[in-house]
Amino acid sequence: GAGVSQSPSNKVTEKGKDVELRCDPISGHTALYWYRQSLGQGLEFLIYFQGNSAPDKSGLPSDRFSAERTGGSVSTLTIQRTQQEDSAVYLCASSLVWGGDGYTFGSGTRLTVV
Amino acid sequence: EDKVVQSPLSLVVHEGDTVTLNCSYEVTNFRSLLWYKQEKKAPTFLFMLTSSGIEKKSGRLSSILDKKELFSILNITATQTGDSAIYLCAARPGGGADGLTFGKGTHLIIQP
Repeated sequence: GAGVSQSPSNKVTEKGKDVELRCDPISGHTALYWYRQSLGQGLEFLIYFQGNSAPDKSGLPSDRFSAERTGGSVSTLTIQRTQQEDSAVYLCASSLVWGGDGYTFGSGTRLTVV
Repeated sequence: EDKVVQSPLSLVVHEGDTVTLNCSYEVTNFRSLLWYKQEKKAPTFLFMLTSSGIEKKSGRLSSILDKKELFSILNITATQTGDSAIYLCAARPGGGADGLTFGKGTHLIIQP
């Protein structure tokens, strides 16, 4: 597609439920990144994919968080047993190659856990 | 632990003023520094700086990196209300990692 597409744009969920966030990167971009932006905080790196593999999972905050990418394209970020502190905007970005200039970010998913 | 600190956290100026935004970093195996503008949700890329002392310019915006003192500045001249946004600075490490470390941003408000 023309840009990085994320869905849903907003998600309200009850504490304890699982959620899936989707990211569709720019066509042909091999690198895909997930970040989280909490209120008043900078962007926090979560995970990075090169193709379908995730060489850097260092940013995932707990084992409730997981992500996968299939076909070198769409990625899903899954949060199990959501907690209120998971409330944030989850941003996805892609770049043509690993280490490429200036990722292109999607508009994000605003997750609210009530 | 990698760290990026931006200052000021917020800044209010009048249209036409010139502003300088600051970013200092401590990153293992530093590779490059990036600036983004965030108006709503999606940060948009402004600059990537890899070499010290080489200014990058785009219209009224310019940025430079000092790898000895570990900081970068973003200048905006003749500011306009459309420049109002959060400006994010991020440092990219080398080695096998690729996740950016972001600062908290500078919230810039341009008053007419």
